[in-house]
Amino acid sequence: DQQVKQNSPSLSVQEGRISILNCDYTNSMFDYFLWYKKYPAEGPTFLISISSIKDKNEDGRFTVFLNKSAKHLSLHIVPSQPGDSAVYFCAASAHRSSNTGKLIFGQGTTLQVKP
Amino acid sequence: DSGVTQTPKHLITATGQRVTLRCSPRSGDLSVYWYQQSLDQGLQFLIQYYNGEERAKGNILERFSAQQFPDLHSELNLSSLELGDSALYFCASSVGGGTYEQFFGPGTRLTVL
Repeated sequence: DQQVKQNSPSLSVQEGRISILNCDYTNSMFDYFLWYKKYPAEGPTFLISISSIKDKNEDGRFTVFLNKSAKHLSLHIVPSQPGDSAVYFCAASAHRSSNTGKLIFGQGTTLQVKP
Repeated sequence: DSGVTQTPKHLITATGQRVTLRCSPRSGDLSVYWYQQSLDQGLQFLIQYYNGEERAKGNILERFSAQQFPDLHSELNLSSLELGDSALYFCASSVGGGTYEQFFGPGTRLTVL
């Protein structure tokens, strides 16, 4: 039972263009969502998050959009840079109902940004 | 550098053996989490401790156990190891017990032969 899905295993974009990474979830109790970036041989690094009371959160080149009715979120990276090449994980939490920090992760999307 | 440390970095052992993975959280963080990442899999939540007490449990096998000590470091004990336990084990920490951004350590790669 995969509650958080990233259906695209990989994505390739040109430097300077927009990268859009997608994530779908099934559990309507999820109320907090996060994106992590992971380089090989390192632990995941927190990128950006969004609460279910918002539909957009922006931090520099990174913007996360949340569509609750579609149970879908996306991460936009503009402009994409070669250093953004990594695996991106979407994660979700049901904070209000569980009062824990338990995160459910998607399978990840490997982003390659070509110079 | 996230501030979360994990030891050892690599561990190679045989089936049936027992190992202990260690994690030190960021200074000031009270929660510690353990996640398992098998080949081609996302991160699977195992267990969370908050200020010494178990806060949440995921699909952690009965052969696995964890604890958080008074100095807030945590250990994950894996026993009666099987080939399928080979994976990356990540520790993460956060300030509180609820939903906060979690900061991950570099992981321990366990290989069971």
